[in-house]
Amino acid sequence: KQEVTQIPAALSVPEGENLVLNCSFTDSAIYNLQWFRQDPGKGLTSLLLIQSSQREQTSGRLNASLDKSSGRSTLYIAASQPGDSATYLCAVRSGSSNTGKLIFGQGTTLQVKP
Amino acid sequence: GAGVSQSPSNKVTEKGKDVELRCDPISGHTALYWYRQSLGQGLEFLIYFQGNSAPDKSGLPSDRFSAERTGGSVSTLTIQRTQQEDSAVYLCASNLGGWQLNTEAFFGQGTRLTVV
Repeated sequence: KQEVTQIPAALSVPEGENLVLNCSFTDSAIYNLQWFRQDPGKGLTSLLLIQSSQREQTSGRLNASLDKSSGRSTLYIAASQPGDSATYLCAVRSGSSNTGKLIFGQGTTLQVKP
Repeated sequence: GAGVSQSPSNKVTEKGKDVELRCDPISGHTALYWYRQSLGQGLEFLIYFQGNSAPDKSGLPSDRFSAERTGGSVSTLTIQRTQQEDSAVYLCASNLGGWQLNTEAFFGQGTRLTVV
């Protein structure tokens, strides 16, 4: 059974700091891994999608890496801003043949202080 | 529409009543998911539809919960005889499915259900 864990559960940093969020999964047989952002009371916004054959993806100040063999992904946020404050969720898509189900971690709640 | 649309955005209902939540996925997306997020909790998988295949209902918490997907598009999640513990945000997502598994999933804004 696939399980996804995110560490830390919460993080508070001063503005401008670079930071790393961690995601680990127990079954390396995944189709892809996706990072989301969730603002309070809102739905999920997709940030980055990494295919199982890829090592990393970049979008602006965000960089996500994937080490499938060790079951790990990191989300790197450069030069953090107060607007980055949100909960960050990772999800892996795994399953048999054509029934890939998204399985989520519990999230990391980030606070960036001005 | 351009994104996943859910309705209503908020629903307050009395304990014991039935409720229906609706999800309109992105046009052409054959995979559709329902998740539940209770206050301060992570996302709990409920049900997954993929094209014409039998849905994966393994996450439905009780037989009071059911979901349908008509014509491979719109989905309705029904909760019968609602209980206070059903209060949560119900989120729907869709993506291209079938063999196109390496694709991005998109979420709606959710329906906040409050059972009083």
